[in-house]
Amino acid sequence: DVKVTQSSRYLVKRTGEKVFLECVQDMDHENMFWYRQDPGLGLRLIYFSYDVKMKEKGDIPEGYSVSREKKERFSLILESASTNQTSMYLCASRRRTSGSLEQFFGPGTRLTVL
Amino acid sequence: GENVEQHPSTLSVQEGDSAVIKCTYSDSASNYFPWYKQELGKRPQLIIDIRSNVGEKKDQRIAVTLNKTAKHFSLHITETQPEDSAVYFCAASRPPGNQFYFGTGTSLTVIP
Repeated sequence: DVKVTQSSRYLVKRTGEKVFLECVQDMDHENMFWYRQDPGLGLRLIYFSYDVKMKEKGDIPEGYSVSREKKERFSLILESASTNQTSMYLCASRRRTSGSLEQFFGPGTRLTVL
Repeated sequence: GENVEQHPSTLSVQEGDSAVIKCTYSDSASNYFPWYKQELGKRPQLIIDIRSNVGEKKDQRIAVTLNKTAKHFSLHITETQPEDSAVYFCAASRPPGNQFYFGTGTSLTVIP
């Protein structure tokens, strides 16, 4: 059973703080993704990574960076948090080499920036 | 890039009735179309998917249809039950990266 975990379910930070959101998957998946989910906007891709040390910008990368030092871990970094980054953040992973393109999601981190 | 539109944004049906959610996409190279269900407070989970070489796929009470020419695909839920109440997201994906482009979601309420 695929397990994707995220470090926090709820997080409250202040404007200007550096914020780290961690995602870990235990199924040796090569591909990992970070989305933000906002009402009426669906899931929007922030960054993704196809392998260790690799990263690609998604549709809304501004204000974010990522780190993929180990295969199982993909971190999303908000260098200087702003109130418009208050959102639900979802991590997902996928095996690159299988026939399925299914992405498996973590439980989400609800971030509030005050 | 790909643009996926999803309608309606909210849908209420009586238990036992059918529900249909429609999505359109813009990139003719898209070839994989998953549907995710997200129950309140839970993570999105894949419920059904379809590839562009197939026109229809069924799994018990749910089905997905794809019209490549018109670039739209639909989710059909028959004999709806209260546990079908959730937000449903469609997505489109294309090679080489196969990243997902999601629709904006449909909140389905099944009234007992």
